[in-house]
Amino acid sequence: SYDLTQPPSVSVSPGQTARITCSGDALPNQYGYWYQQKPGQAPALMIYKDTGRPSGIPERFSGSSSGTTVTLTISGVQAEDEAVYYCQSADSSGISVVFGGGTKLTVL
Amino acid sequence: QLQLQESGPGLVKPSETLSLTCTVSGDSISSTSYYWGWIRQPPGKGLEWIGSIYYSGNTYYNPSLKSRVTISVDTSKNQFSLNLRSVTAADTAVYYCVRQDYDYGSRSGLKMNWFDPWGQGTLVTVSS
Repeated sequence: SYDLTQPPSVSVSPGQTARITCSGDALPNQYGYWYQQKPGQAPALMIYKDTGRPSGIPERFSGSSSGTTVTLTISGVQAEDEAVYYCQSADSSGISVVFGGGTKLTVL
Repeated sequence: QLQLQESGPGLVKPSETLSLTCTVSGDSISSTSYYWGWIRQPPGKGLEWIGSIYYSGNTYYNPSLKSRVTISVDTSKNQFSLNLRSVTAADTAVYYCVRQDYDYGSRSGLKMNWFDPWGQGTLVTVSS
């Protein structure tokens, strides 16, 4: 089966920049998406098609893609950004959806 | 404003069938712009895509669950449903219903995209 690999945890101080990576062999040909999940809540879309930011998502959230890795960058991290972040993509067929294991972002 | 709401039993016995329904409000499930899907999350674990359905009934399933899953749509009620057969304790999870964007190109074919919005989720426990 196809897997997306994320680091289990990332820690940053308030105001610093957090980068969360997601690696997968199909990513050069498939888009990456990012979701934020806070305790007790459903995930929320943060980034679509590698770099798109839905309306209402703060500008400090951005996405990028390079080769087999997509990256979520949070500039000027705030305490409210502490959450688990999941990447999502599809396998080489473009149809079968897969999620990364999630990255717990801790704001020190 | 689009809203999705899951409903169904919170407790299912092992070997039985888990059945959930998602009611869509604020948009028509017959929209040609979206698929509708199910995603689950075991307690304390990550997300797993179960499958997606188009208003016409066209479905795609996670290969690891395909043999036990059926997703159906009822356009008259603006609902879609999940049936998961022969459940075990490993199927205990929060189940989310979602709307899924997609692209279709004559050369590239179907591409399944992001999920937005999500229902609030419903916890289903498999236990005797």
